[in-house]
Amino acid sequence: QKEVEQDPGPLSVPEGAIVSLNCTYSNSAFQYFMWYRQYSRKGPELLMYTYSSGNKEDGRFTAQVDKSSKYISLFIRDSQPSDSATYLCAMTTMDSNYQLIWGAGTKLIIKP
Amino acid sequence: NAGVTQTPKFQVLKTGQSMTLQCAQDMNHNSMYWYRQDPGMGLRLIYYSASEGTTDKGEVPNGYNVSRLNKREFSLRLLSAAPSQTSVYFCASSFMGRDQPQHFGDGTRLSIL
Repeated sequence: QKEVEQDPGPLSVPEGAIVSLNCTYSNSAFQYFMWYRQYSRKGPELLMYTYSSGNKEDGRFTAQVDKSSKYISLFIRDSQPSDSATYLCAMTTMDSNYQLIWGAGTKLIIKP
Repeated sequence: NAGVTQTPKFQVLKTGQSMTLQCAQDMNHNSMYWYRQDPGMGLRLIYYSASEGTTDKGEVPNGYNVSRLNKREFSLRLLSAAPSQTSVYFCASSFMGRDQPQHFGDGTRLSIL
């Protein structure tokens, strides 16, 4: 079993919809949680970075961490065709010497 | 505003050949990383350099070595290419420490025949 699981998708939604992307993990020691967006043939770019539990909002994006359920989410409001990409979650902890553990990514398609 | 620059963007090698992938960052970051990305497997760390003059193995170091040439540059060398090393290779950098957000280049797509 992988330490971090993500549904590979693709997830296809109409423009303007609210999108929910999720990762589950097995290591309860994870403390730092990140979401990256990766366009085709490009490198990942950081979207959200959170420490421990709770919510963090940045424009149309909200990151949510539920440590009791070992579950993190990324919500995208008013989705746009330009949001079509693969979304990767990553997480780490001091116990693992801060090595990032990555999900395999969810491919998102926003239909105009 | 280049960020992290990787060269080459594409390469085809024959089994047994060696080559070096180059990476440079202009963000004055201390730490640099090499990852490989394979379908369905996520990013896997090959090597990292916490600061100039230091390098450490990551999750999948076999068949590779690295050189931190200076603060800006971090190269990855394939010693004797194998088909299993066909992948997309990404270089990343962060200000300090592996808990910090990492900034990525656009990758080198490498095929080993």
